[in-house]
Amino acid sequence: GAVVSQHPSRVICKSGTSVKIECRSLDFQATTMFWYRQFPKQSLMLMATSNEGSKATYEQGVEKDKFLINHASLTLSTLTVTSAHPEDSSFYICSARDQIAGGGETQYFGPGTRLLVL
Amino acid sequence: QKEVEQNSGPLSVPEGAIASLNCTYSDRGSQSFFWYRQYSGKSPELIMFIYSNGDKEDGRFTAQLNKASQYVSLLIRDSQPSDSATYLCASGGNAGNNRKLIWGLGTSLAVNP
Repeated sequence: GAVVSQHPSRVICKSGTSVKIECRSLDFQATTMFWYRQFPKQSLMLMATSNEGSKATYEQGVEKDKFLINHASLTLSTLTVTSAHPEDSSFYICSARDQIAGGGETQYFGPGTRLLVL
Repeated sequence: QKEVEQNSGPLSVPEGAIASLNCTYSDRGSQSFFWYRQYSGKSPELIMFIYSNGDKEDGRFTAQLNKASQYVSLLIRDSQPSDSATYLCASGGNAGNNRKLIWGLGTSLAVNP
């Protein structure tokens, strides 16, 4: 259980184009998903919290107009990197919140999307 | 500023030894604690969670929680080269954080054959 998929796994695009990344919870419903970015040999950085049916909450310093998030259903959130530039090249990882034993909750991660902007 | 701190390592242990990974947290309101493993170039994978003081064992892994000292640890018995990865500690369960996880920066573990 608690499987999260991401598509595409890898994308190469030209500077100035937009790229959409999909995150799906395959065997559970996720009212909340998270988008992270990770540069090589650095830690995870939370970009935003995506809530089904409402606007995403962005972390400080993350441009909401550049990183568009849509969480239109209980199993799908999308991240669109608009007008991508080489500095946006990174590993983008989504996670979905689900319950765990004992009444708590945690995050399950998708496999990540590696974005390279030329 | 709510924080989770880990020694970045690298921690190097011989194959078959016990690897001990440590984590401290600052928010006394945290109620749950998680260990994730991240192989190079891959996304994190949940390996253990713990809510209560004491030990929780799952196979070769034991998580330990001491809320009074605000300390969480992960022990890996009979370490294998395949355990070589970065281990991320996270705290959660505090409604004041909008239920986000607070992440440590990770400890790099190398298990030498």
